[in-house]
Amino acid sequence: QKEVEQNSGPLSVPEGAIASLNCTYSDRGSQSFFWYRQYSGKSPELIMFIYSNGDKEDGRFTAQLNKASQYVSLLIRDSQPSDSATYLCAVNGWNNDMRFGAGTRLTVKP
Amino acid sequence: GAVVSQHPSRVICKSGTSVKIECRSLDFQATTMFWYRQFPKQSLMLMATSNEGSKATYEQGVEKDKFLINHASLTLSTLTVTSAHPEDSSFYICSAREGGFQETQYFGPGTRLLVL
Repeated sequence: QKEVEQNSGPLSVPEGAIASLNCTYSDRGSQSFFWYRQYSGKSPELIMFIYSNGDKEDGRFTAQLNKASQYVSLLIRDSQPSDSATYLCAVNGWNNDMRFGAGTRLTVKP
Repeated sequence: GAVVSQHPSRVICKSGTSVKIECRSLDFQATTMFWYRQFPKQSLMLMATSNEGSKATYEQGVEKDKFLINHASLTLSTLTVTSAHPEDSSFYICSAREGGFQETQYFGPGTRLLVL
């Protein structure tokens, strides 16, 4: 079992829709969770992080964390073509090592 | 957010030569820096973790004698690809963490290496 798992996609949504990206992790001791966006040919950029169970909102983005289910998600509201990218889920384990998922490729169609 | 730079952004070299890539944290002190490699359409692969003033910790399968890492100061880490070969051609990305527990990693813009 991989430490951090994501559906590779591609996930395709129409412009204006909600895109839902999911991630599961295996280390129950994980403390912090991050979402990065990576455009083709570029390095990852941080979108947001979440430490506590529940929802955290930042503009059009909402991160959701459920530690009991070892599940973290990212919702993108009012999706725009410029949101088309690969989204990486990252998890900081008990030893402070950050592990990345393979990423989900999102395409937002105009 | 914190800014991390990398230099050069792109390098082309002949097989057998060595290439040095610099990673700098511009507005914070990075106690830990990470080096990743990414092949086209593949996920990030952690190569090594370096803490300022100590030897780097390499991931399994990464040759430490081939990929030399030096983290000489709190704002600079270097990766030297020694005797580069075409199969080393890849996108090399560094990231830096300020310190403390559970701190965020900030990525540099990456260096694209092409070995002919």
